[in-house]
Amino acid sequence: RKEVEQDPGPFNVPEGATVAFNCTYSNSASQSFFWYRQDCRKEPKLLMSVYSSGNEDGRFTAQLNRASQYISLLIRDSKLSDSATYLCVVNSMGGGGADGLTFGKGTHLIIQP
Amino acid sequence: GAVVSQHPSWVICKSGTSVKIECRSLDFQATTMFWYRQFPKQSLMLMATSNEGSKATYEQGVEKDKFLINHASLTLSTLTVTSAHPEDSSFYICSARARGRASSSSYFGPGTRLTVT
Repeated sequence: RKEVEQDPGPFNVPEGATVAFNCTYSNSASQSFFWYRQDCRKEPKLLMSVYSSGNEDGRFTAQLNRASQYISLLIRDSKLSDSATYLCVVNSMGGGGADGLTFGKGTHLIIQP
Repeated sequence: GAVVSQHPSWVICKSGTSVKIECRSLDFQATTMFWYRQFPKQSLMLMATSNEGSKATYEQGVEKDKFLINHASLTLSTLTVTSAHPEDSSFYICSARARGRASSSSYFGPGTRLTVT
């Protein structure tokens, strides 16, 4: 089983719609969780951290379910500029690489006008 | 916010040659830098951890003699791909972390796209 799994998509969504993607992780000892955004041929950029209590940043809402080892990202009122690949990243003490981070392959989102 | 630069951003080289990629932290001292590789439609994979003033730590399966890492100062780490082959063509990304900071405080460089012909 892969350590961090995501549906690669692509998700084709009309502008203004709400879209959600999910991510599952295999290491139950994982301690922190993030969503990164990666544009084509660019470096990943931190979008938001994910907490058990859930957190919201403008149109973006992230949630963590530790029991199910599941992370979600919801984007409301999607904009054309939201088109990108969204990476689920998990920090596991003693797991992942030396930086503790394990990256998912990403979910490709395309917002259509 | 913190800025990390990489140079070059894009390089094409012939098979058998060596390529050096620089990673610089521009406004903070990076005691640790990480080097990643990303193949198309794949996740970022950590190659090695570079600590200032000491030898790099390589992940399993990464050849230390092929991917030479030098972290000579608190603001610069270099990755040299020696005797590059077409299968080394990839997107190489560094990230830099300041002393004592959590992993979420790592800042990524813009990446270097290497094509070996």
